[in-house]
Amino acid sequence: KNQVEQSPQSLIILEGKNCTLQCNYTVSPFSNLRWYKQDTGRGPVSLTIMTFSENTKSNGRYTATLDADTKQSSLHITASQLSDSASYICVVPGDYKLSFGAGTTVTVRA
Amino acid sequence: DGGITQSPKYLFRKEGQNVTLSCEQNLNHDAMYWYRQDPGQGLRLIYYSQIVNDFQKGDIAEGYSVSREKKESFPLTVTSAQKNPTAFYLCASSNTRTEAFFGQGTRLTVV
Repeated sequence: KNQVEQSPQSLIILEGKNCTLQCNYTVSPFSNLRWYKQDTGRGPVSLTIMTFSENTKSNGRYTATLDADTKQSSLHITASQLSDSASYICVVPGDYKLSFGAGTTVTVRA
Repeated sequence: DGGITQSPKYLFRKEGQNVTLSCEQNLNHDAMYWYRQDPGQGLRLIYYSQIVNDFQKGDIAEGYSVSREKKESFPLTVTSAQKNPTAFYLCASSNTRTEAFFGQGTRLTVV
């Protein structure tokens, strides 16, 4: 069964600090992995997409990594801002449907 | 602009009523999905459709129904059989191997 597991379930960080979110997947065959940001009451918005051959990709203060051998990805947020408070969802397309992680809720406090 | 549109943004339902949530996309995507999100929880798959006139149950299909008569449209009906329908509903579309696009969601409340 294709699965995507994220950790931690939630975390609280102080403004200006860094944090790292984890995503482990068992989806096969693998084509790409996506990180989405979901603000409360809104639809998820794409942050990055990682393909099989990519190890690292950055989008501003967001940096995603992918280890296709261990089937793990991480999302690193640098110098967090209050606007980073959101849920971050890892998504891996399978043959027939998208597999979603449950998300990590990040709360940034001043 | 290309995109995926959900309507309405807010919906109120009386107990025992059926209500239909709209989802339209002009991205020419084959696959469409409906998810339910409860406070503090992740997305749970209700139904998905790979092609027109075909759809499959997701993890929590009971009390819901869908149709896929057109490629662009994938409406979700929340029936009276759904005992706890108050939630945030998200529609998405993709070509599976490409980026998935999400609508802005419909918040359904039972009154």
